[in-house]
Amino acid sequence: KAGVTQTPRYLIKTRGQQVTLSCSPISGHRSVSWYQQTPGQGLQFLFEYFSETQRNKGNFPGRFSGRQFSNSRSEMNVSTLELGDSALYLCASSLVTLQGGSYEQYFGPGTRLTVT
Amino acid sequence: GQQLNQSPQSMFIQEGEDVSMNCTSSSIFNTWLWYKQEPGEGPVLLIALYKAGELTSNGRLTAQFGITRKDSFLNISASIPSDVGIYFCAGQLVQGAGTALIFGKGTTLSVSS
Repeated sequence: KAGVTQTPRYLIKTRGQQVTLSCSPISGHRSVSWYQQTPGQGLQFLFEYFSETQRNKGNFPGRFSGRQFSNSRSEMNVSTLELGDSALYLCASSLVTLQGGSYEQYFGPGTRLTVT
Repeated sequence: GQQLNQSPQSMFIQEGEDVSMNCTSSSIFNTWLWYKQEPGEGPVLLIALYKAGELTSNGRLTAQFGITRKDSFLNISASIPSDVGIYFCAGQLVQGAGTALIFGKGTTLSVSS
């Protein structure tokens, strides 16, 4: 069974530009979450999508947005890039999430974004 | 943002030694997860814990979900060079209709042969 895939793996952008990252979850997984990983802040939750709906959002500015498609694939977008947005962006999928339920999240390899 | 207190921050051990690391939080979690991350890769799930007091093993790895639901530990027995990496604990929060993982800062493990 294929794991979580993320594209692209590496990206270099300039301040002020926008970027779109893509994530394909494990087959059958309907929940997709996004995380930002930096040396200073560690792993921080961005948002979670389930059945094309954002169900939870972390404490990030509105420049960070995402969406999920009917096939469960997800994209996240960062507009007006800042130097501090340089990070590893990780996508994780889980089989299903129910309110109050707990299911393991499996991570992709991440997209390394560098903003210059 | 909210984070877990994970310790130690780093460990330097000899091959064959046992290792122990732990996470504590002021919040109660329904699930504790332990991940390992190697350079250039995403975190890989090692163990998932769902019940307070639960003790679960995965090969040489053993993890426990604390009785108070505010802590967890991970033990690695008889370490080998391929155990090198960064180990993260994560607590799963239920927030509204969704969930989120809250991560510790990680324990960097170095193993010398």
